Amino acid sequence: DQQVKQNSPSLSVQEGRISILNCDYTNSMFDYFLWYKKYPAEGPTFLISISSIKDKNEDGRFTVFLNKSAKHLSLHIVPSQPGDSAVYFCAASDAGGTSYGKLTFGQGTILTVHP
Amino acid sequence: DAMVIQNPRYQVTQFGKPVTLSCSQTLNHNVMYWYQQKSSQAPKLLFHYYDKDFNNEADTPDNFQSRRPNTSFCFLDIRSPGLGDAAMYLCATSKAGYNQPQHFGDGTRLSIL
Repeated sequence: DQQVKQNSPSLSVQEGRISILNCDYTNSMFDYFLWYKKYPAEGPTFLISISSIKDKNEDGRFTVFLNKSAKHLSLHIVPSQPGDSAVYFCAASDAGGTSYGKLTFGQGTILTVHP
Repeated sequence: DAMVIQNPRYQVTQFGKPVTLSCSQTLNHNVMYWYQQKSSQAPKLLFHYYDKDFNNEADTPDNFQSRRPNTSFCFLDIRSPGLGDAAMYLCATSKAGYNQPQHFGDGTRLSIL
């Protein structure tokens, strides 16, 4: 039972264009969402997050959009750069009455940005 | 400059031979996590510590144990590794609170002979 899904295993984009990575979730209790970037032989690096009370959060070239009714979020990278080539993981967490955030991850999307 | 450090980066052990993976942090975070990631799959939470309180995920095999002797260090012990335990093991830390991002180490790649 995969509660967080990234349906595109890979995405290829030209340098300078927009990259759009998508993520769907099924658990309506999720209320905090994150994107991580992972280079080979390194651990995931936190990129950007969004709370369920917002529908957009922006940080430089990275913007995350949340559509709660559709249970869908997306990460936009504009403009894309070759150094953005990595695996991108979507993750979600819910408060669940705990004092920590259990993250449920998607399977990742491999982004390749061509010069 | 590294904030979450995992040792070793690569570990090879024999089938059934106990192995310990190490994680240390300089962030002074309350919460430490251990994840297992198999090839092309999502990282899967095994357990976490909130300070000294240990929390096991329901589906984490009994073969996996953890110790946190102090704030900075956390260990993952695999008592009798099987071939199915070959994976990348990721340690992460965060401040307390569900809306705090987790910071990951670079992982330990475990191979079983």
